[in-house]
Amino acid sequence: GDSVTQMEGPVTLSEEAFLTINCTYTATGYPSLFWYVQYPGEGLQLLLKATKADDKGSNKGFEATYRKETTSFHLEKGSVQVSDSAVYFCALSQNYGGSQGNLIFGKGTKLSVKP
Amino acid sequence: NAGVTQTPKFQVLKTGQSMTLQCAQDMNHEYMSWYRQDPGMGLRLIHYSVGAGITDQGEVPNGYNVSRSTTEDFPLRLLSAAPSQTSVYFCASSPRGTGDDEQFFGPGTRLTVL
Repeated sequence: GDSVTQMEGPVTLSEEAFLTINCTYTATGYPSLFWYVQYPGEGLQLLLKATKADDKGSNKGFEATYRKETTSFHLEKGSVQVSDSAVYFCALSQNYGGSQGNLIFGKGTKLSVKP
Repeated sequence: NAGVTQTPKFQVLKTGQSMTLQCAQDMNHEYMSWYRQDPGMGLRLIHYSVGAGITDQGEVPNGYNVSRSTTEDFPLRLLSAAPSQTSVYFCASSPRGTGDDEQFFGPGTRLTVL
């Protein structure tokens, strides 16, 4: 079945450091890919998405590119802030079939940014 | 818009008790779903609904029931609570339930079963 694998955390960075969180997926066809973020004590919210190969999603300085050839969707940010401290989830959803719209999540990566 | 609301925020149950977790959305979304979040496991889909009167099972449906009598509400019922159901439960909704839809999550219900 479909699955998502993301790098284990926790990740601790200093403010203004470069961030990469790796995400790879296994899926049939061409799923949509997402990054969701969960701030402490809150529900998840969409950070960015890409719906087809070579698309780049971006939001709040974060970027991720849908790489079909490497089945990857790595999250990057050039300069992290303390306010970026959160848990980041990579996820996919099929665009066809009975399970379309259902999200399959990675296990999450906790990011802590120190001042 | 209130978005997706969940009640209660916290709940403690004893083994064997039953309860209903409430979820409502005011965005007229067709698709609603329930996930559970466990440490080191990410989120796993319990049940989902693509419209009023239509529900289906997700990855981990055992021990849970759902119904969707209105577009707005999607309650999750625990029939006989077990310690393995200790978790944080999130309700989510999306406009159409298509693969590229953004899902909107509620704030979660933290459930402890003793």
